[in-house]
Amino acid sequence: AQSVTQLGSHVSVSEGALVLLRCNYSSSVPPYLFWYVQYPNQGLQLLLKYTSAATLVKGINGFEAEFKKSETSFHLTKPSAHMSDAAEYFCAVSDLDSGAGSYQLTFGKGTKLSVIP
Amino acid sequence: NAGVTQTPKFQVLKTGQSMTLQCAQDMNHEYMSWYRQDPGMGLRLIHYSVGAGITDQGEVPNGYNVSRSTTEDFPLRLLSAAPSQTSVYFCASSYSRGRDGYTFGSGTRLTVV
Repeated sequence: AQSVTQLGSHVSVSEGALVLLRCNYSSSVPPYLFWYVQYPNQGLQLLLKYTSAATLVKGINGFEAEFKKSETSFHLTKPSAHMSDAAEYFCAVSDLDSGAGSYQLTFGKGTKLSVIP
Repeated sequence: NAGVTQTPKFQVLKTGQSMTLQCAQDMNHEYMSWYRQDPGMGLRLIHYSVGAGITDQGEVPNGYNVSRSTTEDFPLRLLSAAPSQTSVYFCASSYSRGRDGYTFGSGTRLTVV
């Protein structure tokens, strides 16, 4: 079974500073990887996804992530944090359930991002 | 399109009561899932369905039942609510067998007292 580790349950950055949220996964084969964002009292919104095309993936709201197979990492970055980026971020990996013929998501435990004015 | 619609948004149950959380999607997605979200635990898969009439268990299925009589609807039933089932529940659907990710509903916040 896949596992996803997000380093840091809570990250604080100043407005305008670099955002770096870390995600490592366990997989013996190239996976499909995702970052989701959850604003307070809302559902999860897909930020970006890696599906074995370009290793640098650009998402919405200025976020991007780089797939590094050698490090089994998929860290999320944004050059300049905005107050509206304050939310919880989840990294997820999809795992093919060959019996069911479908992919199921395994989530990390989430990182709550605070942006300080 | 409405996407994935969950009802109710909030619910308080007494221990032992039963209820059904509703989930409907209008995107003709074959694949649907139920997750629960607990603080510090991320999201954990309860049950999923790969199409009408086909369901299977996820990581934490105990205490929950599902059925899939139509492509659009995937209700989650709590048979006898327990305080341990206090959580936020998310329904999700996918068109690509889940490979390209899932679209999530806005969630149901359930408290069992």
